[in-house]
Amino acid sequence: NAGVTQTPKFRVLKTGQSMTLLCAQDMNHEYMYWYRQDPGMGLRLIHYSVGEGTTAKGEVPDGYNVSRLKKQNFLLGLESAAPSQTSVYFCASRWDRVKAKHFGDGTRLSIL
Amino acid sequence: GIQVEQSPPDLILQEGANSTLRCNFSDSVNNLQWFHQNPWGQLINLFYIPSGTKQNGRLSATTVATERYSLLYISSSQTTDSGVYFCAVELQTGANNLFFGTGTRLTVIP
Repeated sequence: NAGVTQTPKFRVLKTGQSMTLLCAQDMNHEYMYWYRQDPGMGLRLIHYSVGEGTTAKGEVPDGYNVSRLKKQNFLLGLESAAPSQTSVYFCASRWDRVKAKHFGDGTRLSIL
Repeated sequence: GIQVEQSPPDLILQEGANSTLRCNFSDSVNNLQWFHQNPWGQLINLFYIPSGTKQNGRLSATTVATERYSLLYISSSQTTDSGVYFCAVELQTGANNLFFGTGTRLTVIP
């Protein structure tokens, strides 16, 4: 049982490039989330999904898009990467709103 | 938005010592979690504790929802306890968001 798996673990991009981060969970969770963590800070919510085919904006959604085509996967896209998006990205999932969130190990993204 | 304040911001302990970390929040919540972020950056879920008291080995936590605070107790600390401890809360109303505090950085020295 892998839990929440994020791919890739590390990536370096040039400004203007695009990329997609993948989050996969094998716990049949309905809710999935993407967060970012900047140095010395806690996590902030980018986008989330309350079920297959749904997405919603979080606290800091600008510059990102997401898709939830399959229940087990939640994709985070950067269409035109900017240095301000250099961060560590965490994915999380949970069964419903009154349950704990389970986090992946993070993706460290650097944009030059 | 909701304010989540953690204290102390930094803590250095001798191995074997006990400690108490505090989390104050400014609004009513229906979810509170404590996390340990280890030196490799992994977020480990310690407790889901919107109210009451829970214990897991050397760790225990208490949330007094009516007074808007939570405490995390670490007893007989070990060097592997080092890292950053985050408190995160979710409002009773509004979006599906866990609001994180800025954390307590714990260093346990042998």
